[in-house]
Formats: sequence, structure tokens, C-alpha cells
Amino acid sequence: DIQMTQSPASLSASVGDRVTITCRASQSIRSQLNWYQQEPGEAPKLLIYGASSLRSGVPSRFSGSGYGTDFTLTISSLQPEDFADYYCQQTFAISVTFGGGTKVEIK
Amino acid sequence: EVQLLESGGGVVQPGGSLRLSCAASGFTLSNYAINWVRQAPGKGLEWVSSITGSVRNTYYADSVKGRFTISRDESRNTLYLQMNSLRAEDTAVYYCAKEPYDNPPFNWFDPWGQGTLVTVSS
Repeated sequence: DIQMTQSPASLSASVGDRVTITCRASQSIRSQLNWYQQEPGEAPKLLIYGASSLRSGVPSRFSGSGYGTDFTLTISSLQPEDFADYYCQQTFAISVTFGGGTKVEIK
Repeated sequence: EVQLLESGGGVVQPGGSLRLSCAASGFTLSNYAINWVRQAPGKGLEWVSSITGSVRNTYYADSVKGRFTISRDESRNTLYLQMNSLRAEDTAVYYCAKEPYDNPPFNWFDPWGQGTLVTVSS
């Protein structure tokens, strides 16, 4: 299976901060990388697909980049509703795998 | 509006069986690939199984292969996950999630249902 390593596992930030989460694949996955947001007690929601395409309805402060093995999710100006867990996911291989998650907390 | 609604979770003893359902509305299930994903309490996400639309190809994670079976009833527009020989490590919230296409599967998952909790315990 392709291993997905997310970092950091958690971070504390303030409203208005720029936040960056990284995801590294154990082999090239081209651009088959997606990002999800999960609020407490809720199901995950798609934010970014194909490494850099913003899902319709998702605020433009979210952006994704990367290709091959290294990917980044950036929140340009953190808002109160962005405090949540974030997961990357590779869909290059039949056995889909997720990163371990990043918890974004209020500083 | 595209929606998925899971049901069928509960408490089951180790070695027991359970069938989860995922009722789809706002779209025809057989036109898309659909997945099951689970999340153990306080843990991350783990893909479990997928079924494609028209061809009905099925895929399973190694951790459930031979024990779980994914299927669907087109007349009910409902997806199922039959879980046999359940173990304590199968305890999790189980989500169903839609893909944007029929085939090939494994693109992105959107939307997800609200989930149903399965607890395997004696």
C-alpha cells in the first residue's frame, strides 16, 4: 500500500493566520491527491481534489498544490469555522489510503 | 440534492455478523462508484470497500477481504456492506461516500453520509 505521511499531526493557530499542512506519499501518485475537512462529530467533507482543484462552494482561502510525492494544503487566513481535522487521501492505487490527519486548534 | 444515509450499526459480539445499509437519494446509485470508509474512535480514516456502477467491480481492503461483502439493490437505490466474522478492531463509524464517476473508481469521495457506529464487544 502507498503510505501517506501528514505533518504536523496538530497545530495551534490564531484567526487570520496562514496555515500550511503537508502530505508526503511513499511513491509517486501524480496528482491523485485529495484533501478533506472533518469537524467534530461530523462526516468528512471534500475541500480539494486532483491536488489543486477547489471543490465548488469551498471558500477560496483554501488551496492545494503539489505533484508526485509532496503536497500542500494552505489556508490563507484562518477563520473560526476552520478549526477541524484535515486529511489527505491518495486515489492513485486501488487500495486508497489516507494520511494520519492534522488537528488545527485555536491558539 | 445528493444525499447518503447509513443505517444498521449497533453492538455485536466478536465473531458475529451485521449488515449496513446506505440509502441514496438525489441520484441513481448504479451510475456511480460508491465506497465504504471507516473511522475507529479517536482515529483516522480507513478505506474499506468500493463497488463500481455499471460493471459492479468490487474492491476490498486487505483488513476485511474474505469477511466483508459490498453489494447494492438497484430497486431500493441502496448500498450494503455485509460484515461477517467481526473482530474488536472492526469497531468504528462506517461511512458511505459517492464518487464522481462510474468507472474507473478511486477519484475523490463526495459527498459522505453521516455514518453509522458499529461496536464489536462481548
